[in-house]
Amino acid sequence: AQSVTQLDSQVPVFEEAPVELRCNYSSSVSVYLFWYVQYPNQGLQLLLKYLSGSTLVKGINGFEAEFNKSQTSFHLRKPSVHISDTAEYFCAVSESGGSYIPTFGRGTSLIVHP
Amino acid sequence: GAVVSQHPSWVICKSGTSVKIECRSLDFQATTMFWYRQFPKQSLMLMATSNEGSKATYEQGVEKDKFLINHASLTLSTLTVTSAHPEDSSFYICSARVGGSGGNTEAFFGQGTRLTVV
Repeated sequence: AQSVTQLDSQVPVFEEAPVELRCNYSSSVSVYLFWYVQYPNQGLQLLLKYLSGSTLVKGINGFEAEFNKSQTSFHLRKPSVHISDTAEYFCAVSESGGSYIPTFGRGTSLIVHP
Repeated sequence: GAVVSQHPSWVICKSGTSVKIECRSLDFQATTMFWYRQFPKQSLMLMATSNEGSKATYEQGVEKDKFLINHASLTLSTLTVTSAHPEDSSFYICSARVGGSGGNTEAFFGQGTRLTVV
């Protein structure tokens, strides 16, 4: 079974500042990794995913994440955030070759201040 | 990406009544759909996995008689909360995946349904 840890429940930043949202996972097998964004009272939207290949993954809205197998991490980064990036961000993991049912972290609330 | 539509977006019902939530895959066939429950400021908890034409698989602790799931077609799954009580108030989210071995690994999510039981 796999698990996901999002170390920060809330990350406040100022507009145009860089941000990193941390995610660590544990699994005994190879995994797929995902980052989702959730705006208030809405479902989840995929930001990016890592399946294989290059460990640096670029997603929508200027976000990117880097898969680090040795540190079992998949941190999400953006060089310059906007007010509109204020939302809840979820890291998720699923076992490759398995049922593909993702396990979600508890979420990180990104709050961008003007 | 593929579109999953969930209806209604929000519903208020009286305690003791039943509520049905629909989840539709609009532009793809979803052999598997998932139902999640999300409490305020918390993560998504998988309630059940719904497979077209067969019985749903419920996660431990989820009452199958209270949360009835039907996946009658490749584009529609429904969740019925029976005899709803205030503690059932929550945000319910469905997701769908294109099935098949080695198939699409991404799950597409509906916009969620806010259920309030009064």
